[in-house]
Amino acid sequence: EVHLWESGGGLVQPWGSLRLSCVASDFTFSNYAMAWVRQAPGKGLEWVSSISGSSESTYYADSVKGRFTISRDNSKNTLSLQMNSLRVEDTAIYYCAKVRMGARVNDWYFAHWGRGTLVTVSS
Amino acid sequence: SYVLTQPPSVSVAPGKTARITCGGNNIGTKGVHWYQQRPGQAPLLVIYDETDRPSGIPERFSGTNSDNTATLTISRVEAGDEATYYCQIWESSGDHWVFGGGTKLTVL
Repeated sequence: EVHLWESGGGLVQPWGSLRLSCVASDFTFSNYAMAWVRQAPGKGLEWVSSISGSSESTYYADSVKGRFTISRDNSKNTLSLQMNSLRVEDTAIYYCAKVRMGARVNDWYFAHWGRGTLVTVSS
Repeated sequence: SYVLTQPPSVSVAPGKTARITCGGNNIGTKGVHWYQQRPGQAPLLVIYDETDRPSGIPERFSGTNSDNTATLTISRVEAGDEATYYCQIWESSGDHWVFGGGTKLTVL
């Protein structure tokens, strides 16, 4: 069974920085793209960023482009999200997710999710 | 950017059938995936590639996708199915993942 464990959340002031981590187990980490998805309090799901298995390709939502950086260390089965210039609207639970390819060409979905880590941006 | 539209809420009596729609322009040409999120829990994939179920998901969950609407159908609804359901597609034009706004299923 796939396991994903997020950490690094907490309270940070606006314009501050935070680094999230996700440790994966029970699957060949380097073979899969990974992603971060967030959920603001009482709101729906919002995709944040994704990275290919080899780190060759990275993708960002417009709302975080230029402020967040996704990375991975396949030797440590770890996914990271460096968040800079944080805003109040970045307050959310951040989920780590394993990405799988769908049946159609250029189609991807989130096969497994971690339990999430809460990031609160407030002064 | 591509928009997925879901009804905010759907109510159904136990034992009946719930249908949750996800509307989008020509969504029938895209892969659609569905997630269940119970209160206080992480999302769980319940349908992928429009119609397929991951292992452990009951056969009561099924999906269809055609033209401008994808539909998640839950047959013989149980109290444990009460949750918020999200549809999702991958938008190739912008290399973005897109979620619908979510539909809260209430079991009466």
